Amino acid sequence: QKEVEQNSGPLSVPEGAIASLNCTYSDRGSQSFFWYRQYSGKSPELIMSIYSNGDKEDGRFTAQLNKASQYVSLLIRDSQPSDSATYLCAVNGGGSQGNLIFGKGTKLSVKP
Amino acid sequence: GAVVSQHPSRVICKSGTSVKIECRSLDFQATTMFWYRQFPKQSLMLMATSNEGSKATYEQGVEKDKFLINHASLTLSTLTVTSAHPEDSSFYICSASTTSKQETQYFGPGTRLLVL
Repeated sequence: QKEVEQNSGPLSVPEGAIASLNCTYSDRGSQSFFWYRQYSGKSPELIMSIYSNGDKEDGRFTAQLNKASQYVSLLIRDSQPSDSATYLCAVNGGGSQGNLIFGKGTKLSVKP
Repeated sequence: GAVVSQHPSRVICKSGTSVKIECRSLDFQATTMFWYRQFPKQSLMLMATSNEGSKATYEQGVEKDKFLINHASLTLSTLTVTSAHPEDSSFYICSASTTSKQETQYFGPGTRLLVL
């Protein structure tokens, strides 16, 4: 059974701080990794995708991938109250149709 | 780009009736569409994967005769909840992937179903 694990939180950080969200996955053969943000009562929104080891930056977001450790993380710099949401880590499921395996999400709360 | 719409956004129905939910990719052709269900404070649960012109692939435990999926074109997939019961009340979300980036899924806004 392929699994994606996330700490459910809540993770609470003060406004302006760096929020660090972590995710581990069980399938060593996974090649594609995604971070989605889901506000309460809304559907997930794609934030970033990462495919290679190392860091990938997009604005205030940085995704980090370490395939050897089967670990992917998301850093949010200068956190804002509007970043408060549940962050879902997703990993490709290995099927031919592009299905993803989602973690249960980490709830982030940014305090003003 | 990569916009996915769902209709309706919210529906209330009586127990025993059927409800159809539409999922459309507005600015791209979606080879594959996915249907998820999410209960309050729980994670996304994949129900089925559908490809245009072929039968949907259902996840274990999902009744294919109860949740009918039709993917008639590269921009439209429908989910019909047949003979709905209160326990079917949930947030139903579709996603679509493009032909070029098959593993990147773009989500629709979701449909909140309440069965009385």
